[in-house]
Amino acid sequence: EAGVAQSPRYKIIEKRQSVAFWCNPISGHATLYWYQQILGQGPKLLIQFQNNGVVDDSQLPKDRFSAERLKGVDSTLKIQPAKLEDSAVYLCASSLFSPEGLAGGNEQFFGPGTRLTVL
Amino acid sequence: SQQGEEDPQALSIQEGENATMNCSYKTSINNLQWYRQNSGRGLVHLILIRSNEREKHSGRLRVTLDTSKKSSSLLITASRAADTASYFCATNTNAGKSTFGDGTTLTVKP
Repeated sequence: EAGVAQSPRYKIIEKRQSVAFWCNPISGHATLYWYQQILGQGPKLLIQFQNNGVVDDSQLPKDRFSAERLKGVDSTLKIQPAKLEDSAVYLCASSLFSPEGLAGGNEQFFGPGTRLTVL
Repeated sequence: SQQGEEDPQALSIQEGENATMNCSYKTSINNLQWYRQNSGRGLVHLILIRSNEREKHSGRLRVTLDTSKKSSSLLITASRAADTASYFCATNTNAGKSTFGDGTTLTVKP
């Protein structure tokens, strides 16, 4: 079974430029997550999709970050314009959606991440 | 702030010793999960424990959950150099919201 794919793996841009990341989740996974992981910290959830609807985007800086999940499969995360503090690894994860109490829970499968450096 | 907080932040042990790391959280959860992250890689799921469970085993891993204290522990027995990684707990609410802590960095010296 193929895992979660992300591209690019690395990106270096200057501040105020734009950047986009792409994620292809595991086939059949209804839930897709984007996380920001700053060096030395845990992943911080930016946005969570259930199929192509947004479940949680409370920590997404909406003035500069946007995300979409077309047809409930692939997803893109965009930053425009980038700031120095956006330097981080952007992780995409997917999971089977399981209501509380059912077998399977919501184990997340992570992609390798995109390391963004903003100069 | 993150709901899950791991303790200690860093742990260094000799190969063959046991490693214990703890996670505390603040609100009610549906389940709690532990993940491992090797340097420069994505996270890998290790084990999930539900709110109505108290202990779970998987190979050399043992996880406990105390919902009255809002805490969990991960024990790795007979550690190996390959266990060197960062370990994160993630709490999950009934609504499916996941929150990760800042992790424990484990170094196992050969």
